[in-house]
Amino acid sequence: NAGVTQTPKFRILKIGQSMTLQCTQDMNHNYMYWYRQDPGMGLKLIYYSVGAGITDKGEVPNGYNVSRSTTEDFPLRLELAAPSQTSVYFCASSYRRGSGGGREQFFGPGTRLTVL
Amino acid sequence: GIQVEQSPPDLILQEGANSTLRCNFSDSVNNLQWFHQNPWGQLINLFYIPSGTKQNGRLSATTVATERYSLLYISSSQTTDSGVYFCAGYGPAAGNKLTFGGGTRVLVKP
Repeated sequence: NAGVTQTPKFRILKIGQSMTLQCTQDMNHNYMYWYRQDPGMGLKLIYYSVGAGITDKGEVPNGYNVSRSTTEDFPLRLELAAPSQTSVYFCASSYRRGSGGGREQFFGPGTRLTVL
Repeated sequence: GIQVEQSPPDLILQEGANSTLRCNFSDSVNNLQWFHQNPWGQLINLFYIPSGTKQNGRLSATTVATERYSLLYISSSQTTDSGVYFCAGYGPAAGNKLTFGGGTRVLVKP
């Protein structure tokens, strides 16, 4: 298993440009997540998905959009990039059954994004 | 949501030394994970430990859920242990949100 994979590894955007960060997992996990990590800080949840066709906002969703058309893929879309979106973006996945507590999350290698 | 506090914020160790990192939660948690973020930025799962004690090589972790804390022990530290250690957990009212602590930055000197 490759686990959670993300592309691209690095990207530089100009203010106002758009891009999509790709995330794929091959562990048949139902939950997927997007986080951002600013320099010297912990991770903050942007969006998450509990299954194909279902997404919900996290702590910091403004400026981002997501979709989940398949179990494996969870792309993150940045519209009108701003310098405040300069960060490292991590995708994660987990398997959760029923309404019980969350299960162990596994993270991708991250995408380092700079907006100039 | 829950608050997660980690201590100490920074730790400098001589190679071979032992250390203990602490993670305190403001409310009960039903999931607790420890991660190591290496100098290249990768987040590596160390332990999934809602309660009890687990060991993996030179690392071990203990979570006392009733007292809302978890400890990570590093024994015989090596330079490859350098990086940032994060704990994270779900609180009872946090829904699907895994809350991270601010991390402990560890530097192991040769």
